[in-house]
Amino acid sequence: QSALTQPASVSGSPGQSITISCTGTSSDVGGYNYVSWYQQHPGKAPKLMIYEVSNRPSGVPDRFSGSKSGNTASLTISGLQAEDEADYYCSSYTSSKVVFGGGTKLTVL
Amino acid sequence: EVQLVESGGGLVKPGGSLRLSCAASGFTFSSYSMNWVRQAPGKGLEWVSSISSSSSYIYYADSVKGRFTISRDNAKNSLYLQMNSLRAEDTAVYYCARGRFTTAKFDYWGQGTLVTVSS
Repeated sequence: QSALTQPASVSGSPGQSITISCTGTSSDVGGYNYVSWYQQHPGKAPKLMIYEVSNRPSGVPDRFSGSKSGNTASLTISGLQAEDEADYYCSSYTSSKVVFGGGTKLTVL
Repeated sequence: EVQLVESGGGLVKPGGSLRLSCAASGFTFSSYSMNWVRQAPGKGLEWVSSISSSSSYIYYADSVKGRFTISRDNAKNSLYLQMNSLRAEDTAVYYCARGRFTTAKFDYWGQGTLVTVSS
């Protein structure tokens, strides 16, 4: 069982928006503004998409955005594209360790 | 261009040992904290261990504490993971990743190396 809870799957049509939630506790997501999101295509290494809740690394499209409310962080992808189909993982710092969510499979219909 | 290349994976029997390496290039290795993250087949990501830029601070997941040792050689731009007393549940792709684990921000990842623990 993962420390952070994500839905197993989400789906959307091209052009639509989707949101993936990541629920933790006051000891991790709620306690620090250190939530990151990673995208992983099959057989590939994870790629950083969002860090410190809502910041995008250089090169990540602005279609990707992050937010947090209480113990739940969210990743929103707007204007869905076929290449967004992948697994997405949230992570958070918590007292001398990093915890990940179980991952969410995004299907673009 | 930042590059992280892992090596050293393979098949090992339960109770055995293995040493993973990660060769870094394209950035000032000695200025960055480094990490190991693993992914069991068909499963999610699991943080394993982190080491600060000067090796002053080292952290381990509870699942590997006492069995795994992280280290680095800044002169060789290399990160290591010594894995002892391996168990079947340690079977995974092991990734090295750059970044400060206190911010959970891992900005570059290697391609991973597969470790299989089986008799």
